[in-house]
Amino acid sequence: DAKTTQPPSMDCAEGRAANLPCNHSTISGNEYVYWYRQIHSQGPQYIIHGLKNNETNEMASLIITEDRKSSTLILPHATLRDTAVYYCIVSLDNYGQNFVFGPGTRLSVLP
Amino acid sequence: NAGVTQTPKFQVLKTGQSMTLQCAQDMNHEYMSWYRQDPGMGLRLIHYSVGAGITDQGEVPNGYNVSRSTTEDFPLRLLSAAPSQTSVYFCASSLTGGGPYNEQFFGPGTRLTVL
Repeated sequence: DAKTTQPPSMDCAEGRAANLPCNHSTISGNEYVYWYRQIHSQGPQYIIHGLKNNETNEMASLIITEDRKSSTLILPHATLRDTAVYYCIVSLDNYGQNFVFGPGTRLSVLP
Repeated sequence: NAGVTQTPKFQVLKTGQSMTLQCAQDMNHEYMSWYRQDPGMGLRLIHYSVGAGITDQGEVPNGYNVSRSTTEDFPLRLLSAAPSQTSVYFCASSLTGGGPYNEQFFGPGTRLTVL
């Protein structure tokens, strides 16, 4: 069974915040939540990851609910270049058989 | 740093041919992985390595071999190419396997077509 559930697609207006949800109700206490994105046919790009606390970097913010069963990736001011497939991954490690890419969410940023 | 490099960028093979996809990283990363991505799908893990001399199978290892003789290189060998191996292949590396420093760096991919 998939460890994460994401909507298959979302739209966002350019300049607005993009909020991408991810459900991971079976997450264990020491598993991280990772977010990657893949622009067109390029290799995936790391965005952010977190364990319990909310995290922010220059690309995005990650909000993890207190029970850790879901999270939201926030792109504060989406641009056309943020159009991509976004993957939410739950794993203890950042490699190996537990680091599974699902189908992700295809985000389209519209002008 | 060049990061993760992959060669070739494109390759066309005939069924039954063999070839090696090259992957190299110059970041002194211990962990390296090979993924394949079929059209409209997510990435699937083929093989991975946690250091020189150590490799393990991923989700879809059949038809592929790997070795890790140096920290920098992690080649993927197709033993006898089949049309089902038509895909885009990505190599990735990371400094550590977990904890707070968790970024995997991906190469640009090799687009393989098997006729």
